[in-house]
Amino acid sequence: NAGVTQTPKFQVLKTGQSMTLQCAQDMNHEYMSWYRQDPGMGLRLIHYSVGAGITDQGEVPNGYNVSRSTTEDFPLRLLSAAPSQTSVYFCASTEWTGNTEAFFGQGTRLTVV
Amino acid sequence: KNEVEQSPQNLTAQEGEFITINCSYSVGISALHWLQQHPGGGIVSLFMLSSGKKKHGRLIATINIQEKHSSLHITASHPRDSAVYICAVTQGAQKLVFGQGTRLTINP
Repeated sequence: NAGVTQTPKFQVLKTGQSMTLQCAQDMNHEYMSWYRQDPGMGLRLIHYSVGAGITDQGEVPNGYNVSRSTTEDFPLRLLSAAPSQTSVYFCASTEWTGNTEAFFGQGTRLTVV
Repeated sequence: KNEVEQSPQNLTAQEGEFITINCSYSVGISALHWLQQHPGGGIVSLFMLSSGKKKHGRLIATINIQEKHSSLHITASHPRDSAVYICAVTQGAQKLVFGQGTRLTINP
């Protein structure tokens, strides 16, 4: 099993550009989520999904879009990048049983200039 | 006030010392997670607890549900243990709420 595969690892964008961060898991997990990690603030939830076709907003959803067309994939789209979106992004997945280990992608360090 | 509080925020120790990192939470949980993040690296799950105590090698995690408190202990600490340790709790079905992390540095 590969676990959670997140790409790219690094990205530099210009203000206004768009991009998609990819996240895929091969564990048949129902719950997938995206977080951003900023210094002194811990990880904050951007969007999450409880299954294919179902997504919802987290704590900091503005400027981001998600979709879940399959159980395996949960891409995060930046619609028009802003310097405030400079951060490290993590994708995570877990089973829908409330009491299971969470698996994280390797992270994406995004810089918006 | 954050729902998950960790202490200390930063900890520096000498190789071989016994390390304790604390986590307190103020919400109902179904599980508590201890995670490890090396500099520039990804996040790895160390433990998932809902009660009692777990041990993996030199790492021990305990949780007291009544007091809403968990501790992560590292025995015989080593420089390779230097990392950020993150406490997270699962609220409800699967929502993860994270502490701000504890940066641990072990000097040789």
